[in-house]
Amino acid sequence: DAGVIQSPRHEVTEMGQEVTLRCKPISGHDYLFWYRQTMMRGLELLIYFNNNVPIDDSGMPEDRFSAKMPNASFSTLKIQPSEPRDSAVYFCASSYRGRVYGYTFGSGTRLTVV
Amino acid sequence: AQSVAQPEDQVNVAEGNPLTVKCTYSVSGNPYLFWYVQYPNRGLQFLLKYITGDNLVKGSYGFEAEFNKSQTSFHLKKPSALVSDSALYFCAVTGGGNKLTFGTGTQLKVEL
Repeated sequence: DAGVIQSPRHEVTEMGQEVTLRCKPISGHDYLFWYRQTMMRGLELLIYFNNNVPIDDSGMPEDRFSAKMPNASFSTLKIQPSEPRDSAVYFCASSYRGRVYGYTFGSGTRLTVV
Repeated sequence: AQSVAQPEDQVNVAEGNPLTVKCTYSVSGNPYLFWYVQYPNRGLQFLLKYITGDNLVKGSYGFEAEFNKSQTSFHLKKPSALVSDSALYFCAVTGGGNKLTFGTGTQLKVEL
């Protein structure tokens, strides 16, 4: 198994531009999570899906952020328009049956907004 | 609300000595507890978890953790530290649901 795959690994964009981060979960996993890691705030859960349906998006910082999961194999996190304070490492994680079997994280996308 | 506290930003230990990284938690309901490790510019790697049963949980790379319900703690331990264990360690918890909440992380530095 290739694990959770995130792309791109690094993204540098200018303020105001749209950014799309991508995630391919482990096949057969029914939960998908998006986290953001910053020095100031640590690891924050942004949103999670169960069977492609968003369950909790209370961590999404503002309307500029949106996430979708059109099928069991793919999810996107979009920021439009991006701002310098969005600079962070964004992690995707997937799980089979949630907390029962634990969570597998991708390698992350390092986003820099200049 | 659920939360995790890792009271030490950094732990220094000499190679070959035992190490402990502390974690306390707060949840309503039965806790599911996890330890993850992060190496520079890498994702989080799973070390071990506690769901139920034996309070002493053994995990990857010789790590273990002890669940203590009365003290609401889940400290990470290793009998003999290696320089290669130097990394950032995260404790995490879920209560009644699947939302995983992380602590702030503890930087472990193992020196020769």
